[in-house]
Amino acid sequence: GQNIDQPTEMTATEGAIVQINCTYQTSGFNGLFWYQQHAGEAPTFLSYNVLDGLEEKGRFSSFLSRSKGYSYLLLKELQMKDSASYLCAGDGSARQLTFGSGTQLTVLP
Amino acid sequence: KAGVTQTPRYLIKTRGQQVTLSCSPISGHRSVSWYQQTPGQGLQFLFEYFSETQRNKGNFPGRFSGRQFSNSRSEMNVSTLELGDSALYLCASSYSSLAGAEEQFFGPGTRLTVL
Repeated sequence: GQNIDQPTEMTATEGAIVQINCTYQTSGFNGLFWYQQHAGEAPTFLSYNVLDGLEEKGRFSSFLSRSKGYSYLLLKELQMKDSASYLCAGDGSARQLTFGSGTQLTVLP
Repeated sequence: KAGVTQTPRYLIKTRGQQVTLSCSPISGHRSVSWYQQTPGQGLQFLFEYFSETQRNKGNFPGRFSGRQFSNSRSEMNVSTLELGDSALYLCASSYSSLAGAEEQFFGPGTRLTVL
């Protein structure tokens, strides 16, 4: 199978740093996507990792270890608007994305 | 550049009926994928179309079908609706379906409620 696991909920404080982890079975995926989804809205692209290592993009960074089947999304200088669901997705064949159940992040003032 | 559009945005149907949802991809995008999102199962892949051909299909019953037109617009159909089909149906478009990573752009979704 190609299960993707991530925590259901996380809470952090405005201005803090939070790391959202994602684990998956190592076979079957070309790389890992991270999407952000606010309630009632469409998912929006945050990052894609196909090589091991850290990709930094402003306040958001994403890390991938292919051998360990592990990825994380790092959010720095948290803002209230970062409260959303964060979806980890494996990139399989023919544009089929396999999504984790999503991590609901709540940022508190 | 206009984003992915989906119509209708909301739909209420009763068990046994059928429904057709529409998706217009971003101009120039030829690949359209459909996903079902429910609180219990999360986002699940339904199928993907490229150049009017279904390239990949997820693990859903045959009641779920789709098609793509020559202008890349896509429709999905669900026949003999069941209560469990209540969900947010999302369509996503990308430029091509070649191997390798490519960002998929999601539409706002169609919220289907089956009574």
